[in-house]
Amino acid sequence: QVQLQESGPGLVKSSETLSLTCSVSGGSISNDYWSWIRQPPGKGLEWIGYIYYSGTTNYNPSLKSRVTISVDTSKIQFSLKLRSVTAADTAVYYCARHRYYDNDAFDIWGQGTMVTVSS
Amino acid sequence: DIQMTQSPYTLSVSVGDRVTITCRASQSITNWLAWYQQKPGKAPKLLIFKASSLESGVPSRFSGSGSGTEFTLTISSLQPDDFATYYCQQYNNPPYTFGQGTKLEIK
Repeated sequence: QVQLQESGPGLVKSSETLSLTCSVSGGSISNDYWSWIRQPPGKGLEWIGYIYYSGTTNYNPSLKSRVTISVDTSKIQFSLKLRSVTAADTAVYYCARHRYYDNDAFDIWGQGTMVTVSS
Repeated sequence: DIQMTQSPYTLSVSVGDRVTITCRASQSITNWLAWYQQKPGKAPKLLIFKASSLESGVPSRFSGSGSGTEFTLTISSLQPDDFATYYCQQYNNPPYTFGQGTKLEIK
């Protein structure tokens, strides 16, 4: 059974770059779409963007200017970079798999990793 | 962006109650809607996809209905494990958006 695990620094300084990795285990990264989603403390969910195993991406316009999602099929992982962070980027960051298609529900989620932006 | 509005924000309920949560989209999303359950400190769990299709392993007391702009999640007989926050999500087109959540509280 496919499992996802996020990893990366839990504390990032304001104006710097947040970098997270999602490792996929128990299955392949190929032929699937993979997303990053975040949730500020006590708030709702925000979709950040997705990547297809081939490298095709789609980003939320609200974050597009600061986001890069990449994939490394050899390491069976994909990554998120969010530049010029502020306190508003403090959140739990989740990686998730799309069921089948790009426009699809998220059927498998990582446990999430809390990232705090400090001044 | 498509705005998703859930109601109510919170719901005080008892074990055994029939629970209905509503989600409205700001424009038609056909039936490209999912429902998730989230417990404190945990990742969301997919319950329903394509508005009414039950995800594998999810108890049959959960059901979804609706199309276009109005959708509902129903729990036929609330169990103790169901106290959580529920989110709807549209995936008609990116950016995919979520409702603000509905929290089920113990009455």
